[in-house]
Amino acid sequence: DGGITQSPKYLFRKEGQNVTLSCEQNLNHDAMYWYRQDPGQGLRLIYYSQIVNDFQKGDIAEGYSVSREKKESFPLTVTSAQKNPTAFYLCASSPGQVVYGYTFGSGTRLTVV
Amino acid sequence: GENVEQHPSTLSVQEGDSAVIKCTYSDSASNYFPWYKQELGKGPQLIIDIRSNVGEKKDQRIAVTLNKTAKHFSLHITETQPEDSAVYFCAGHYGQNFVFGPGTRLSVLP
Repeated sequence: DGGITQSPKYLFRKEGQNVTLSCEQNLNHDAMYWYRQDPGQGLRLIYYSQIVNDFQKGDIAEGYSVSREKKESFPLTVTSAQKNPTAFYLCASSPGQVVYGYTFGSGTRLTVV
Repeated sequence: GENVEQHPSTLSVQEGDSAVIKCTYSDSASNYFPWYKQELGKGPQLIIDIRSNVGEKKDQRIAVTLNKTAKHFSLHITETQPEDSAVYFCAGHYGQNFVFGPGTRLSVLP
C-alpha cells in the first residue's frame, strides 16, 4: 500500500541536542511538508519542498532544518536553536502539480527532557 | 492576508444528531477546500473536499457546502456516531500551501 511513514513515533531529546525526524513516502508525490502541532492548536508550517533539492521556509522555520536529496524522503532536523521543541510533528505529501489534499503521516511526538 | 477561521472550537452532540462546522476564508484563497479528521495521537486524514465550481458535495453521512460570495464553507455530519468523535480541520489553499483552521473538537455522546 502506498503511504507516508514517519519515524520514530516517540522521541526524547536532551536540551542542547539536535534530533532528526524521518519522513518517507512511496506515493510518488512531488511535494512534501513539515508541520508542527501544539496541544489544542492547529497546524503550523515549518518547511516545504516542491521538488528534489529545493525547499522553502514556512511560517516557523527558525531552529529547524531540512533536506530533500531524494523524492521519497524529507527529513527534519530540530536543532538546539529551537527554544521550545516539544510538540507533535506531522509530515505530509501531495502530488504537487494538481491542487489536492495532503496525505499525512502518523506523526512524531518529540519531548525535550 | 492568508487566514482561515473555524467555528465552533468545541462541539458536543448526541449520537444520531447532526453536527455542523463552519469555516471562513480570506480573499486570496484559491478554489479548493479540504476537510480533515484527526483522531487522538494520529495524523489528519482527508475526509472530503470541494472545488469552487460546485456548491455542495456529499459522501454518505458527510457533506460540504461552499458559499463563494460569503467566503465560507461548512462540514455537515448527519446521524453522528461515537466514532465521529475527533478533531476536524478545514483548510484553504493559498499560493503553494494550505492554511489550516484552528480545529473543532467534536464529541458524540452515546
